[in-house]
Amino acid sequence: DVKVTQSSRYLVKRTGEKVFLECVQDMDHENMFWYRQDPGLGLRLIYFSYDVKMKEKGDIPEGYSVSREKKERFSLILESASTNQTSMYLCASSLDPGVAGEQYFGPGTRLTVT
Amino acid sequence: QKEVEQNSGPLSVPEGAIASLNCTYSDRGSQSFFWYRQYSGKSPELIMFIYSNGDKEDGRFTAQLNKASQYVSLLIRDSQPSDSATYLCAVNEAQGGSEKLVFGKGTKLTVNP
Repeated sequence: DVKVTQSSRYLVKRTGEKVFLECVQDMDHENMFWYRQDPGLGLRLIYFSYDVKMKEKGDIPEGYSVSREKKERFSLILESASTNQTSMYLCASSLDPGVAGEQYFGPGTRLTVT
Repeated sequence: QKEVEQNSGPLSVPEGAIASLNCTYSDRGSQSFFWYRQYSGKSPELIMFIYSNGDKEDGRFTAQLNKASQYVSLLIRDSQPSDSATYLCAVNEAQGGSEKLVFGKGTKLTVNP
């Protein structure tokens, strides 16, 4: 089974802090994705990556950056956390290069920014 | 960004009935269609995908695709209380040389014992 893990289930940070969310997948998937999920707004894509050291903006990249130094790891960085970044953050991965395909999700990180 | 529309519900059906979940999409170039189930407090899990017009069956689940009408649906036969969840429709969309998934906001299904 595909396993996607995220570094924290719950995280509380203060406004202005730099926040790192880590995601690791163990099935040699080529593609990795970061989403946030908010009530009434659904799942929105922040960034995605189809290769090591490659990144592409999703639909709401403002205020975020990403890093993919190794194939299995994709990090989401909040450069200066703000209260409007309080959300559930979900990481996903899929197998085939360049194809969004069948995505498998991690358990999520619920981030609260105070 | 192209749109994926779902009826937000809630959709309520009695146990043993057929639940019908619908989704429309705006991008005529979309080729891949997915249904995810999300239990409350959990992350989405993939339950069905369909790439060709027509029906695809997997156990109690049937996905139906009509590209001409830009419509995809999910039927759940013999609905069980354990099927109570939010169902997300997702459609692929090209972006530059790669692609991403666009998700609908989901339909909340409740199956009553």
